[in-house]
Amino acid sequence: AQKVTQAQTEISVVEKEDVTLDCVYETRDTTYYLFWYKQPPSGELVFLIRRNSFDEQNEISGRYSWNFQKSTSSFNFTITASQVVDSAVYFCALSGKDSNYQLIWGAGTKLIIKP
Amino acid sequence: DTGVSQNPRHKITKRGQNVTFRCDPISEHNRLYWYRQTLGQGPEFLTYFQNEAQLEKSRLLSDRFSAERPKGSFSTLEIQRTEQGDSAMYLCASTSGQGTRDTQYFGPGTRLTVL
Repeated sequence: AQKVTQAQTEISVVEKEDVTLDCVYETRDTTYYLFWYKQPPSGELVFLIRRNSFDEQNEISGRYSWNFQKSTSSFNFTITASQVVDSAVYFCALSGKDSNYQLIWGAGTKLIIKP
Repeated sequence: DTGVSQNPRHKITKRGQNVTFRCDPISEHNRLYWYRQTLGQGPEFLTYFQNEAQLEKSRLLSDRFSAERPKGSFSTLEIQRTEQGDSAMYLCASTSGQGTRDTQYFGPGTRLTVL
């Protein structure tokens, strides 16, 4: 069965610090897809990134970067020089044939950036 | 191109009343998903449509819940005889359906409070 674990329930850092959100997944699929979504207090889920299992190249988008390690089944998310606007709940999700391509969600990590 | 929209954004109702939510997907997106999210949890899949066909329903979708997508455009989710346990955020997402790996884009959600 597929499973996504976000072990960090809540993280609190001071603005401008770097912060890494962990995501570990389990799947029997050989081809699968990993996602990160941001959910600010307004409630809307905002898509951040999708990564295919056959593409292990890390990605950087501005202050955001993602580290996909197939060997450890992890897809971690780092925010560099955090800002107060980064405060939100961040969800990691997985989809694949085993779940009929439905999104399997982690429990989310609440990130608090203090000014 | 506008994103996914949902109405109403907030709904307060008394136990036993019926409520109906609407979701308008991104134009030309032929897949539409409904999720429920309770506080501190990730989204839970309820059902999804491919055009007007409802292809999958979660066991979470009791007989009191019904969803439709007439003409494959907007969708409605109705809850009959609401219970306090139905209080949650109801999220809608859409994808282009070009492939099973498609990214789901979410609307702002409808927050339901059952008194």
